[in-house]
Order: sequence, then structure tokens, then C-alpha cells
Amino acid sequence: DIVMTQSPDSLAVSLGERATISCKSSQSVLYSSNNMNYLAWYQQKPGQPPKLLIHWASTRESGVPDRFSGSGSGTDFTLTISSLQAEDVAVYYCQQYYNTPSMYTFGQGTKLEIK
Amino acid sequence: QVQLVESGGGLVKPGGSLRLSCAASGFTFSDYYMSWIRQAPGKGLEWVSYIGGSDNTIYYADSVKGRFTISRDNAKDSLYLQMNSLRAEDTAVYYCVRAHGDGLSVWFDPWGQGTLVTVSS
Repeated sequence: DIVMTQSPDSLAVSLGERATISCKSSQSVLYSSNNMNYLAWYQQKPGQPPKLLIHWASTRESGVPDRFSGSGSGTDFTLTISSLQAEDVAVYYCQQYYNTPSMYTFGQGTKLEIK
Repeated sequence: QVQLVESGGGLVKPGGSLRLSCAASGFTFSDYYMSWIRQAPGKGLEWVSYIGGSDNTIYYADSVKGRFTISRDNAKDSLYLQMNSLRAEDTAVYYCVRAHGDGLSVWFDPWGQGTLVTVSS
């Protein structure tokens, strides 16, 4: 099974500053036949279910603010929030969907707070 | 709008059973793969089970295989999870989620609000 490891576990960033979350997979999630990275990012605010932000590693969902961006390829991925807003306080998860269907695995989560 | 509403959670003793339901609306239910994903209190996300749209392709996480059964009723726009031989480690919020993607390579959106299952004596 592919293990997803996020870093850091928690992060405190000042309002208006950049926040960067890393996600590493234990094996590549890049599918060579279509050159797509099988990785998604989710945001979970306190007391709410997760919300999909990004799929295919960098395709932002409709309605997601453009301050959120995803990048990376193969085994190393990054979620960047370019200018942190108060409403971005949440736990962020990455998920791989390459190694299926034996298991869709998530990272352990990164808790983002305001400094 | 797309809506997923879970029900059926509650307190059950170890070894007991529970059946979760998810009522879907706002989209053509039979066109979509569906899954259950759970989150233990204060913990991360764990995928539990997947079911195809109309071919009933079904998969389970190893942690629940042989104990849980996923099913769907496309006529009722409903998804189910029958949970037997429950253990303390099955305690979690269970989310009903719609799957998107390419066959079995899927991501999840949206998520229901979840239903809490507590396994305790």
C-alpha cells in the first residue's frame, strides 16, 4: 500500500502570509500513460466534513479561491495558500488514488492555525 | 444542490451490528460510484468501502473486510453500510461520499455531514 506522509503536522502562519504543506507518497502516484498525478487535497474545518480543494495534484475545484494551489509530481507534492485568511484555519489532508482499489490512502493531516 | 444525508449511527456493544444509510439528492445517483469513509475521534481519514454505479463493483478496506457490507438501491437514491461484529476500533464518524474520477481511480466530493458510530460496552 502507498503511505502518504504530510509535513508538518501543524503549522502557524500570520494572516496574509504564505502557508505551505508538504505531502510525500511512498511510491510514485504519477501514471506514465497519461502523465497525471493521482493526488487530491481536502480541507476540513472544525466540526465540518472534509471539502475537496484540488484533484490531479493541481486542478482546483470550482469555487475554491485562487489563493489555494497544488503542485508537485511523482512522490512530492505541495499545497500552497498564497495569502492566509482567517477562514483557512483547518486541517488539510492529501489523498492518493493511484493504488486502487486496495486502498485509497490519506495523509495524517496538517493542522493550520493563525500565528 | 448535491446533498448526502447519513443516518443510522449510534451506540452499540462490541460484537453488535448497525446499518448506516445515506440518502442522496441533487444528482443522478446511479451514475456515480459511492464510498464510505470514516474518521475516528480526533484522528485522520480512513477509506472503508467503494461501490460502483450500476455494476455493483465492490471493494473494502482490509480492516473491515468480512464484517461490513456495502450496498445501494438506485431506485431509492440510497447507499447503505451493514456493519457486523463491531469492535471498539470501529468507533468513528462515518461519511457517505460521492466519488469522481476515472474508473476506480477516484477522489471524493461531496461529503455528507457524517453519522457517529460508538462501539462500547
